Amino acid sequence: GDSVTQMEGPVTLSEEACLTINCTYTATGYPSLFWYVQYPGEGLQLLLKATKADDKGSNKGFEATYRKETTSFHLEKGSVQVSDSAVYFCAHGSSNTGKLIFGQGTTLQVKP
Amino acid sequence: DAGVIQSPRHEVTEMGQEVTLRCKPISGHDYLFWYRQTMMRGLELLIYFNNNVPIDDSGMPEDRFSAKMPNASFSTLKIQPSEPRDSAVYFCASSFRTSGTGTGELFFGEGSRLTVL
Repeated sequence: GDSVTQMEGPVTLSEEACLTINCTYTATGYPSLFWYVQYPGEGLQLLLKATKADDKGSNKGFEATYRKETTSFHLEKGSVQVSDSAVYFCAHGSSNTGKLIFGQGTTLQVKP
Repeated sequence: DAGVIQSPRHEVTEMGQEVTLRCKPISGHDYLFWYRQTMMRGLELLIYFNNNVPIDDSGMPEDRFSAKMPNASFSTLKIQPSEPRDSAVYFCASSFRTSGTGTGELFFGEGSRLTVL
C-alpha cells in the first residue's frame, strides 16, 4: 500500500551545518509531495510542497525536489539555525482521495 | 483569519469514561481529517470527511471510536469507553482541494492531548 519512509532521528546538528533528511515513498499514480514541520506544542504546518516530477519546493531556506525515478523527496537546508529545531514530516497526497499519508517524522535539534 | 480550532486542548480522564473531542474547521474548507499522534506509531489518519460525509474510516482503531460531522463547521471524535492506550494527541485538520492541482494543503489545529488513567 501507499507509504512514506523517513530517515530515523533524532538528528543533532550545530548551527550553520548542512541538513538533509531523506524521504522515500510508495504510491500509485503521481501524488503531490509535502514537507510539514511541527514545533513543540503546536500542530503541523506546511513547509513546502511539489506537485509534479522535477518540481522543487522551497521555503525559509529549505528545499526539496520531487524525484520520480527514485521516488524520493529529500529535505535540504544549507545552513540550519537553532530556530529550525522541530519535527519534520514528509507526506504524499492522492489527487483521487484528497488524503495525506505521513512519514513517522524526524526530530531535528540544532545546537548553538 | 481563524485557523482550525480544537477543544479541549488537554483532557485527563479515567479508564472507562467517555471522551469527546471537538473541531471547527476553517470556513470554506470541504475536507476534514482526524489524526492521532503517539511516540510509538507516529501520525495516524483515523478518518476523513468530504462535504460532511465520511469517506474513509479504515484508520479508526476500534468500535469504541466514532466520528461525526453534522455540518460544515463542526466535527466530533468520540471514544467510549476510553482506555489508557488511547492516550495520544489528536489532531484535526481541514483542507480545500483546488481542482486540477491535486491535494490541497492541510491546515492543522493545535491538537487535543488526551491522557487516560
